[in-house]
Amino acid sequence: DVKVTQSSRYLVKRTGEKVFLECVQDMDHENMFWYRQDPGLGLRLIYFSYDVKMKEKGDIPEGYSVSREKKERFSLILESASTNQTSMYLCASGPPAGYGYTFGSGTRLTVV
Amino acid sequence: GNSVTQMEGPVTLSEEAFLTINCTYTATGYPSLFWYVQYPGEGLQLLLKATKADDKGSNKGFEATYRKETTSFHLEKGSVQVSDSAVYFCALKDQAGTALIFGKGTTLSVSS
Repeated sequence: DVKVTQSSRYLVKRTGEKVFLECVQDMDHENMFWYRQDPGLGLRLIYFSYDVKMKEKGDIPEGYSVSREKKERFSLILESASTNQTSMYLCASGPPAGYGYTFGSGTRLTVV
Repeated sequence: GNSVTQMEGPVTLSEEAFLTINCTYTATGYPSLFWYVQYPGEGLQLLLKATKADDKGSNKGFEATYRKETTSFHLEKGSVQVSDSAVYFCALKDQAGTALIFGKGTTLSVSS
């Protein structure tokens, strides 16, 4: 089975901190994604990457950046955390054909 | 742009009841369609998919048929169980895109 592992299940950070959310997949997938999930809003795409060092903005990239230095790892960076970034963050990976992306268990981030 | 609309929840059913969760989409061309399920405290899991018109996806007793004429992909199950309690997401991927576009999710609660 494909595994997508997110480094933390729960995270509490202070306003203004720089926050790193890590995601690792073990199936050599080209595509990796970061979504955020909020009640009543569903999943919204923040960034995705289709190859090492390649990235594309999603629907809500403001306040975030990403890094993909190795194929298996895709990091989401909150440059200066704010309370409105309190959310569940979900990482996913999948092959180019796009069928059946696999999701990690999520990181619930609270910014205080 | 592309979008997915699914019925708002929560949907509350008794065990063995029939389930329908409506999903309609807007997209150009022939997108692939998906249902994902999220159990409490977990990430999303692919439940079923359909890649062309009139295809029927099925898994674990759930079914959905890709209806091009009505741009719909409704999820059905003949007899729900308490263990089906979860949040269900309808999603699409268009022919040109890479990322999945999700609906807002429908919470299903099944009581015994």
